[in-house]
Amino acid sequence: RKEVEQDPGPFNVPEGATVAFNCTYSNSASQSFFWYRQDCRKEPKLLMSVYSSGNEDGRFTAQLNRASQYISLLIRDSKLSDSATYLCVVTFISNFGNEKLTFGTGTRLTIIP
Amino acid sequence: DAGVIQSPRHEVTEMGQEVTLRCKPISGHDYLFWYRQTMMRGLELLIYFNNNVPIDDSGMPEDRFSAKMPNASFSTLKIQPSEPRDSAVYFCASSLGVVSYEQYFGPGTRLTVT
Repeated sequence: RKEVEQDPGPFNVPEGATVAFNCTYSNSASQSFFWYRQDCRKEPKLLMSVYSSGNEDGRFTAQLNRASQYISLLIRDSKLSDSATYLCVVTFISNFGNEKLTFGTGTRLTIIP
Repeated sequence: DAGVIQSPRHEVTEMGQEVTLRCKPISGHDYLFWYRQTMMRGLELLIYFNNNVPIDDSGMPEDRFSAKMPNASFSTLKIQPSEPRDSAVYFCASSLGVVSYEQYFGPGTRLTVT
């Protein structure tokens, strides 16, 4: 099983719709979680951190479910500019004491006019 | 701040040649990361440094790859000899930490090995 798994998509969603996708992780000791956004042929950029209590930033809501080991990203009222690949990131402390992080392979989202 | 700077932005080389990628992190960031991104494998962490010291190089694919960070403002990733399967986009990123801090990525180096 991969450390971090995402549905690659693509998700093709009409403008204005709500879309959600999940990211599952295998290490129950994982500590921190993030969503990054990557535009085509660009570098990844932080979209938002994911807190245990869930958090919201405008049209974006991130949630963490530790029992089922997944994080989710919900986008409301989707805009054309939301078209991108969304990468989840999971961090944990290894058995050797060093911090490790893993990126998912990304979910590709296309908003259709 | 100029952000993370990488050079070159594009590199085309022949199999067997040595390739050196360069990175300048954001001033004040004490963590530096090297990633490789391909369509098949996504974004893979190759190695990361803390205060110029390599902490985790478990992602380095093989001995042909090496990375150095001689000072806080400069790092290199070297591939010798290069192979076609090394073709990918290589990103450098810097941050104030690993577990809880945002990573700032450079624009990447697109490497093509023919």
